[in-house]
Amino acid sequence: DVKVTQSSRYLVKRTGEKVFLECVQDMDHENMFWYRQDPGLGLRLIYFSYDVKMKEKGDIPEGYSVSREKKERFSLILESASTNQTSMYLCASSFGGSPNGYTFGSGTRLTVV
Amino acid sequence: GEDVEQSLFLSVREGDSSVINCTYTDSSSTYLYWYKQEPGAGLQLLTYIFSNMDMKQDQRLTVLLNKKDKHLSLRIADTQTGDSAIYFCAEGGPGGYNKLIFGAGTRLAVHP
Repeated sequence: DVKVTQSSRYLVKRTGEKVFLECVQDMDHENMFWYRQDPGLGLRLIYFSYDVKMKEKGDIPEGYSVSREKKERFSLILESASTNQTSMYLCASSFGGSPNGYTFGSGTRLTVV
Repeated sequence: GEDVEQSLFLSVREGDSSVINCTYTDSSSTYLYWYKQEPGAGLQLLTYIFSNMDMKQDQRLTVLLNKKDKHLSLRIADTQTGDSAIYFCAEGGPGGYNKLIFGAGTRLAVHP
C-alpha cells in the first residue's frame, strides 16, 4: 500500500523554537507539497517541490522554509515558531504526468505555545 | 487568480442523497477532483473527472461537470453516517494536475 508518512501526529513547541516537520513517501513521486489547513480557510499551499533540491514558494511561504535533499523526503522548517503557526500541516505527493491527484499524509497538528 | 468555492456546511438525513457543489475559475483545468477528509486524518482521493467529460459514476458517487458554468457537483446516493466528513473540491491549477487548487471544504453531517 502506497504511503505518505508524516513523522508526528501531534507536536507542541514553544514560541521561537525551530521546528522540523518531516514527510516521507515511498511511491517514487517527483512532486511533493506542504499545506496548512485552518478552519474555514481550507488548504493553503506553503511550498512545493518538483525535484530533488528544487523548491518553489506557494501562497503563504512567509515564516517557513523547506528542504528536499532526497527524492522521498520533503521537510518543512519553521525558522522561529510563532503562535499564528498553530495549525494542521498536511504533506502530499504526486506523480508527474498522472491524473491521480495527490496522496496525502495523515497530517501533523502543531501547537505553538 | 484561480479560486475554488464551496459552501461550508451540509446536513442530510441518513438514506437521503447528498449533493455538494463547487465552482471554480480556471477554465484551463484538465482534471477536477473530490477528496474526503475524516476527522483527524489526511485527505483521501474519492474520484476525479477529466474536463472533457460531463458525468462520472462510481458506485454511490456521481460527479457532474458543467464546464460552461465552471460548476462541479458530487452526489452521494443513500448517504450513511460513515459519509460524515469534510469534502474538498480541487482543480488542476496552473501547470496542469501537478499543482491543485483546493476549495475550503464542505462539512457533511449525516443525521438519523
